[in-house]
Amino acid sequence: GAGVSQSPSNKVTEKGKDVELRCDPISGHTALYWYRQSLGQGLEFLIYFQGNSAPDKSGLPSDRFSAERTGGSVSTLTIQRTQQEDSAVYLCASSFDRGAGGGEAKNIQYFGAGTRLSVL
Amino acid sequence: AQSVAQPEDQVNVAEGNPLTVKCTYSVSGNPYLFWYVQYPNRGLQFLLKYITGDNLVKGSYGFEAEFNKSQTSFHLKKPSALVSDSALYFCAVRSYGQNFVFGPGTRLSVLP
Repeated sequence: GAGVSQSPSNKVTEKGKDVELRCDPISGHTALYWYRQSLGQGLEFLIYFQGNSAPDKSGLPSDRFSAERTGGSVSTLTIQRTQQEDSAVYLCASSFDRGAGGGEAKNIQYFGAGTRLSVL
Repeated sequence: AQSVAQPEDQVNVAEGNPLTVKCTYSVSGNPYLFWYVQYPNRGLQFLLKYITGDNLVKGSYGFEAEFNKSQTSFHLKKPSALVSDSALYFCAVRSYGQNFVFGPGTRLSVLP
């Protein structure tokens, strides 16, 4: 696609329920990132996928959070037993970092519009 | 470890005046430096980057940034601010093979 696509754009859930957030990166991008952003605040790094390497999960706040990236493309962020403090905008980004080519776009993160999660 | 500081939470500037949004960084190895802008209820948009070459980098919407290795800074500048430049600005750094690290963000308000 033309850009990074995230779905749903908005998600309202009840405390204790599980949610899945989806990210479709730009085709051919080797790296994919998940961030969390509370209202008007900075970015909190969650997880980073780079090609076939083991993901960097160092930012995941608890074991209720997990993510996978299937076939090196689409990624799903899963939050189990949601809590009110999980309410935030979840942003996904992708980039082309490794290997030859890429031109001026290399190393630039391209962000999706985000998923706004509200836990009631 | 990599880190980014944006010392100002908020910058206010009058329309037509020059603006500067500050960023300093710490990284081992050669830095890749980036500026992103976030308009209300939008995702982050790339403005400009420094990888190598000229220290003065020009980007989108008339913005530029100067890489200063000795001061480990990468301040964002624009000669004449517009009200439409009001947004949240993020500086980011990475070195080769490492993850991106974002600064806490600076809110820019351009007053008419």
